[in-house]
Amino acid sequence: AQSVTQLDSQVPVFEEAPVELRCNYSSSVSVYLFWYVQYPNQGLQLLLKYLSGSTLVESINGFEAEFNKSQTSFHLRKPSVHISDTAEYFCAVLYSGAGSYQLTFGKGTKLSVIP
Amino acid sequence: EPEVTQTPSHQVTQMGQEVILRCVPISNHLYFYWYRQILGQKVEFLVSFYNNEISEKSEIFDDQFSVERPDGSNFTLKIRSTKLEDSAMYFCAIVLAGVQYEQYFGPGTRLTVT
Repeated sequence: AQSVTQLDSQVPVFEEAPVELRCNYSSSVSVYLFWYVQYPNQGLQLLLKYLSGSTLVESINGFEAEFNKSQTSFHLRKPSVHISDTAEYFCAVLYSGAGSYQLTFGKGTKLSVIP
Repeated sequence: EPEVTQTPSHQVTQMGQEVILRCVPISNHLYFYWYRQILGQKVEFLVSFYNNEISEKSEIFDDQFSVERPDGSNFTLKIRSTKLEDSAMYFCAIVLAGVQYEQYFGPGTRLTVT
């Protein structure tokens, strides 16, 4: 079965410090990778995605993620976090093939930015 | 990001009752999806819907669940006889025509079964 692992359930970090949220997925020939963010009492917002091309993808608010095929990882990073980044972050994978478009999610990582 | 609304935002129901959750996309869409998130657990796929038919469903989506587009725009998820374990956040998601693979989620409906 396909699976997505986010090893860290909670990550506290001081404001302006760097952060890395880890995501690993079970290997597959072809995958599309996503990070979603969920702010308190809100829905899931697409943060960034990897579909093809450059393995390093960026969001408009300073996050980046790198697709590493050999390590089956798609870790999310930000060099300097802000209080407003406090949220839960979900890694999701779409295992393409046989016309399936369902997303498989990790359990999520709660990022808490400490002033 | 395209706008997707869901109603109600919170539904409380008694065990055994039927509930209907609604999803209203604002712009052009190709696929509809329903996911759920039980408190403290991961987001799980329930069903996908394309061209007025179910295209894919998970093992969670048993005979108690059904989906339809009653008026060509709204997309509904019905649970016929709710159980305590159906308590969860239910998210609707859409894919826009021409924006393949990107799923945009609504704000969710919190269902509480008592």
